[in-house]
Order: sequence, then C-alpha cells, then structure tokens
Amino acid sequence: GQQLNQSPQSMFIQEGEDVSMNCTSSSIFNTWLWYKQEPGEGPVLLIALYKAGELTSNGRLTAQFGITRKDSFLNISASIPSDVGIYFCARSNTGNQFYFGTGTSLTVIP
Amino acid sequence: NAGVTQTPKFQVLKTGQSMTLQCAQDMNHEYMSWYRQDPGMGLRLIHYSVGAGITDQGEVPNGYNVSRSTTEDFPLRLLSAAPSQTSVYFCASSYSRGRGNTIYFGEGSWLTVV
Repeated sequence: GQQLNQSPQSMFIQEGEDVSMNCTSSSIFNTWLWYKQEPGEGPVLLIALYKAGELTSNGRLTAQFGITRKDSFLNISASIPSDVGIYFCARSNTGNQFYFGTGTSLTVIP
Repeated sequence: NAGVTQTPKFQVLKTGQSMTLQCAQDMNHEYMSWYRQDPGMGLRLIHYSVGAGITDQGEVPNGYNVSRSTTEDFPLRLLSAAPSQTSVYFCASSYSRGRGNTIYFGEGSWLTVV
C-alpha cells in the first residue's frame, strides 16, 4: 500500500511537554488529515488541511500543511494524560483515495 | 450525531464460518469504504464504493464481499472465515467538497477467527 512516512514511531513524554510529529510523502497532495485513535476505538478526525501553507488549530493541537504539499506536522502543546493514543496522518487527492501513515504512539507520563 | 455506525463491536468466528459486518452512515456521503487494521501494517483498504450500486476492490479484497444497495449502507461479508482475517475492521465514509476530501470512521469491529 501507499503508506506515508510518519515519525516518530513512538514518544514518551512528561505531562506538560510539547509534542511534535510529522508526515512526509514523495508526491504532492491537496488534503492532509490528522487523526487520533484511542485503544478500542476508531480513528477520530482532529484537523483537516486543504491548502498549502494552511495552519489550523484545534484547542492545544496545531497542524500545518507544508508549502511543498509533500508534508504536514502536528503539534500538541502542554500535553496532558488524556492525550495518550495513536496519532496518524492521512493524505488524499481527487477520487476520494486516502493513504495513511503508520501512526505515532504517544505516552504521557504524569 | 451518529456518523458512521458499525456492528458488531466484537465477534469470534470459527474457521469456515461466514458473517456480515454491518455499516451505516447518516451523513449522505457518496463514498464508503472498509479497512482492516493490523499491528505494524496500518490501515489497508479492502473494498470501497463511490455510490449506490457501485463497488470496487481495494488493496486486500480476497475473502471479502461488499454491496451498496443504498447510499447509507455498506455491509462487508466474510465468505469463509480464515485465521488470517483476524483483525480490526473499520467502516468509513467520505466526501469531496470543493476544498478537499475528508474521511470519517466507525468505532471498529474486532474480529477473531479461531
């Protein structure tokens, strides 16, 4: 499958720290999406990006669509224990085809 | 506020049995799809549909069947379950509107084949 390069694979951080993760692709796309998945649940959409350079926030979460259209990052500020989960990116072009990153597992240590 | 609803949440099957995972969405999305999620493999597309009456194969279609008789429903059938089909299955619906595409997932179905 056409997986995205997502890094890091896992993170262990102290509560209150900021977190940054990113996804890169060799091709350009017109949509970047970021999801969070908690154990036993389905992926939940956090942020959707549709334009190169777009910077969007959702509470403590901020994501940006890279100006080259080949990458995106997600930042979480002042992490809290409920931020624990797997975060993954998705990209899409026309035709409603989606490709997903393999995820970043986040552990927040109180 | 239902979104994408899939059932059952958990299922144990014996090898060779058949079953259907149900999926419904109430967002009037034209696209629906089924993914399986396995450790280290990420989400892999099984089958998808671009509208009622139209379905197509994804990356890993073998052993699965789908139909799309209505916009809302997109069931996934396991024809003869095999242990390799032990996985977590997600139904999703998506749309394309001007700015771009967005996909929404159901809560998942955990399937074990013994």
